[in-house]
Amino acid sequence: SAVISQKPSRDICQRGTSLTIQCQVDSQVTMMFWYRQQPGQSLTLIATANQGSEATYESGFVIDKFPISRPNLTFSTLTVSNMSPEDSSIYLCSTGGTSPFGSGTRLTVV
Amino acid sequence: GENVEQHPSTLSVQEGDSAVIKCTYSDSASNYFPWYKQELGKRPQLIIDIRSNVGEKKDQRIAVTLNKTAKHFSLHITETQPEDSAVYFCAASIGMDSSYKLIFGSGTRLLVRP
Repeated sequence: SAVISQKPSRDICQRGTSLTIQCQVDSQVTMMFWYRQQPGQSLTLIATANQGSEATYESGFVIDKFPISRPNLTFSTLTVSNMSPEDSSIYLCSTGGTSPFGSGTRLTVV
Repeated sequence: GENVEQHPSTLSVQEGDSAVIKCTYSDSASNYFPWYKQELGKRPQLIIDIRSNVGEKKDQRIAVTLNKTAKHFSLHITETQPEDSAVYFCAASIGMDSSYKLIFGSGTRLLVRP
């Protein structure tokens, strides 16, 4: 299974700013998935990142708020834009299937 | 839309007893059902999974059963130990393809009392 390196591991950000999270995979994968885990909650799929095409967003998530890049088959970024305290969560990337999640980014917005 | 319901939300058992967590799903196309264990401050870890062509799978003290007709699947932990205490999430794949994007249940907080 693929191994994902995710960074940053944590950050504290001011409201109104943006943070870009990076995931690097050790092998080429067709799809990458971005999830959000709000405090004390389950995981929610934000979007699917496809190489060479626009990301596919789930209901409740929009590109302006969570722009995603997928420049090649081993890398993806998720940006959390114009942050508010409600964006404080753990953000996780995945390649699906049995592969482990990335280590996660714990974001706190103050 | 698709959803996964998970019960119970909390479960407290005595060490050595069994624990059962149940999930139901709505998408008939779901064909992959993983279970994750999340310890405090850590990412979810896959502990067992089952595919739709199998009714039961076992790995040491944990087992998963799947009833596709009823759209139910369950996690069974036998001989529970304090280190089994964690939050457990079930999930189901969405859609017909094999990319295995997942929708998660709401989680079960399991406490194993010594």
